[in-house]
Amino acid sequence: NAGVTQTPKFRVLKTGQSMTLLCAQDMNHEYMYWYRQDPGMGLRLIHYSVGEGTTAKGEVPDGYNVSRLKKQNFLLGLESAAPSQTSVYFCASSRPLAGGYNEQFFGPGTRLTVL
Amino acid sequence: GENVEQHPSTLSVQEGDSAVIKCTYSDSASNYFPWYKQELGKGPQLIIDIRSNVGEKKDQRIAVTLNKTAKHFSLHITETQPEDSAVYFCAASPDSNYQLIWGAGTKLIIKP
Repeated sequence: NAGVTQTPKFRVLKTGQSMTLLCAQDMNHEYMYWYRQDPGMGLRLIHYSVGEGTTAKGEVPDGYNVSRLKKQNFLLGLESAAPSQTSVYFCASSRPLAGGYNEQFFGPGTRLTVL
Repeated sequence: GENVEQHPSTLSVQEGDSAVIKCTYSDSASNYFPWYKQELGKGPQLIIDIRSNVGEKKDQRIAVTLNKTAKHFSLHITETQPEDSAVYFCAASPDSNYQLIWGAGTKLIIKP
């Protein structure tokens, strides 16, 4: 099992360009998440999905869009990149169980720089 | 909503000594508290977790304690080793089971 994979690993964009980050998981998880990680700020949730065809906003959704057309894939789009979106982006998946148990499995991350 | 604070932001300990990282949370309805370890260049990985009906949980050299009254929980690592060097995150799960609210992270440095 590959677990959670992310493409690309690195990307440099110019302000105003667009791009899509791809996340794929082979664990048949229902839930998927996109986070951004900035120094000193931990992990902040951008968008999440509780199933195929459904998405919802997280803590910092502005400037991003997502789609979950297939259960195993979760795409994160930046329509018009801004320097403030320079960050490391992590995708995660999980299968929450009763009692709040929710182990999230993370991909290796995508380092994005916006010039 | 839930808010999680984590301290310290950096912790440097001598190899073989113990390390303690502390977190506080604000929502008394939170019932699940995991700890993740993030090694350089990798995504976070769950190392231990605790539910609100348990006060302490151990797994070899790591342990987690929970004080529901004070709304704080701690990670304890004993006999630290070089491979313990990493960033550690605490998190709390509110009543909805699809989100984790994360602390800001602690960079643990093990000095040889």
